[in-house]
Amino acid sequence: DVKVTQSSRYLVKRTGEKVFLECVQDMDHENMFWYRQDPGLGLRLIYFSYDVKMKEKGDIPEGYSVSREKKERFSLILESASTNQTSMYLCASSFPQEEGYTFGSGTRLTVV
Amino acid sequence: AQSVTQPDIHITVSEGASLELRCNYSYGATPYLFWYVQSPGQGLQLLLKYFSGDTLVQGIKGFEAEFKRSQSSFNLRKPSVHWSDAAEYFCAVGAPGGGNKLTFGTGTQLKVEL
Repeated sequence: DVKVTQSSRYLVKRTGEKVFLECVQDMDHENMFWYRQDPGLGLRLIYFSYDVKMKEKGDIPEGYSVSREKKERFSLILESASTNQTSMYLCASSFPQEEGYTFGSGTRLTVV
Repeated sequence: AQSVTQPDIHITVSEGASLELRCNYSYGATPYLFWYVQSPGQGLQLLLKYFSGDTLVQGIKGFEAEFKRSQSSFNLRKPSVHWSDAAEYFCAVGAPGGGNKLTFGTGTQLKVEL
């Protein structure tokens, strides 16, 4: 089975800190995604990537950036964390499209 | 762009009762459709998917879903719910050939009464 591993289950950071959320997949998938999940809002796409060094903005990219230097790793960066970025962050990978996504276990980030 | 609606935020059923969770999508052609389940504090697990062929699809854990083009729906069903089915369920839609992005509904929280 494909595994998608998110490096942290829980994180607490201070306002203004630079935060890195790491995601690694082990099945050579080309496509990787970052979503945030908030109650009543479902999952909202932040950024995605179809290939190494390639990135595209999703629906809510403001305040975030990403890095994909290797195919298996997709990092989400909060340049200057704010309290409204307190959320559950979910990483996913996929290929091909009709197979859907495989998700990581999520990182619950609290910004204080 | 595609969109998906899950009209029920919360549903409560008794253990052993049947279940139907609703999902309606908006897309100009036949989309890719998925149902995912999320247990508390966990990521999402794929239950089943539809992209072509038989409109009734079977998934894991005894779930099934039926694609109805005329109603733009992809409702999830289970004949007899178990207490362990309590979780949040998400419907998702993707546009074939439009990249791999999925659009998710806001989820339905299922509570199972013993």
